[in-house]
Amino acid sequence: GAVVSQHPSRVICKSGTSVKIECRSLDFQATTMFWYRQFPKQSLMLMATSNEGSKATYEQGVEKDKFLINHASLTLSTLTVTSAHPEDSSFYICSAPTSGEGEEQFFGPGTRLTVL
Amino acid sequence: AQSVTQLGSHVSVSEGALVLLRCNYSSSVPPYLFWYVQYPNQGLQLLLKYTTGATLVKGINGFEAEFKKSETSFHLTKPSAHMSDAAEYFCAVSLWEGAAGNKLTFGGGTRVLVKP
Repeated sequence: GAVVSQHPSRVICKSGTSVKIECRSLDFQATTMFWYRQFPKQSLMLMATSNEGSKATYEQGVEKDKFLINHASLTLSTLTVTSAHPEDSSFYICSAPTSGEGEEQFFGPGTRLTVL
Repeated sequence: AQSVTQLGSHVSVSEGALVLLRCNYSSSVPPYLFWYVQYPNQGLQLLLKYTTGATLVKGINGFEAEFKKSETSFHLTKPSAHMSDAAEYFCAVSLWEGAAGNKLTFGGGTRVLVKP
């Protein structure tokens, strides 16, 4: 199947700093990518839809100025957590769908963010 | 709007016993249904999916699921549990949004523990 990578896999930062997470589709092009957040022992919650060449679409309750998304190319989307705080500590997962109705999404391995 | 309910946040089975994970959904249109598995600190891996056609779907690692429209269910089963099946399992329903792709809504997840 298709491969999606994320970098870094784990990051620890101080409160108030910004952290960038990269999501890449390695063997296919993705005009759309999705960003999820997963708190411990909980399900995945969709944060936003990243659209190549246009603005991201954020889910209700997600601060677009705090979670900056850039979809710079057909294989790369980045999520920047700005002015991170301890409550932003979570597991962030991206996914990219192959084209076509009903097709599954391929998930990255996730990024564990810990804000001290 | 669509939603997914997984009955039982934790399931404990003995090695060799039947694994049954329950999933019910609500959707205003015919759904696409998925089961994903997540191992600790990893992304999600597709087990199987239902789009159209045969309602009994076979997936990887011996898992299968049956789509029952009348019961709005998509329960996941495996006849004989293996120690390697210990993981978190997520049921998801997908809504096709055209250019935005397939937007997934996840259930709360079921953690499977396999006892020797």
